[in-house]
Amino acid sequence: NAGVTQTPKFQVLKTGQSMTLQCAQDMNHNSMYWYRQDPGMGLRLIYYSASEGTTDKGEVPNGYNVSRLNKREFSLRLESAAPSQTSVYFCASTWGGPGELFFGEGSRLTVL
Amino acid sequence: QQQVKQSPQSLIVQKGGISIINCAYENTAFDYFPWYQQFPGKGPALLIAIRPDVSEKKEGRFTISFNKSAKQFSLHIMDSQPGDSATYFCAASSRDNYGQNFVFGPGTRLSVLP
Repeated sequence: NAGVTQTPKFQVLKTGQSMTLQCAQDMNHNSMYWYRQDPGMGLRLIYYSASEGTTDKGEVPNGYNVSRLNKREFSLRLESAAPSQTSVYFCASTWGGPGELFFGEGSRLTVL
Repeated sequence: QQQVKQSPQSLIVQKGGISIINCAYENTAFDYFPWYQQFPGKGPALLIAIRPDVSEKKEGRFTISFNKSAKQFSLHIMDSQPGDSATYFCAASSRDNYGQNFVFGPGTRLSVLP
């Protein structure tokens, strides 16, 4: 049971470079989310997708774009990375109602 | 109104003691209150959750107490063990026009001393 799989696990970028974080879930969940985790700030929502074909902004969307490629996959793109985007990024998924949110292992991004 | 407050920021407890973490919310539309446990280098994992129509839920050594009128809920860890050392996040969830929304507290770092 893979659950939620994120790639890459670690990445170092230079300011201005672009990259895409990939996320896939094998639980047939409708809703998928991208969070960032910074010390003392908990988990802040970047973007989410309530269902295949829809995406919406969360609390901190600036500097990011997302694509819900299909029901399984939800990617997060940084078009021009900035040091403020140094963080740990978590993808999560759920069936779409009040219930367990399943998280991936995280992607640790450093922007120099 | 979407914010979830959590305290304390860090907590040190002796083995066998009781760990208590408190959370508060404002949005009365929240209908699901989970607690997540996160170990270093791992993603958060659901520990226990409660709905607002229940005042208490217990699973093993872990208990959620929920006070709807005060808009507060807390996690109690009985007989705390060194293996419980982790970061704990409370959260609150509600459904809006775009789907199920989850809001997380800032986290509590628990250290249980042997």
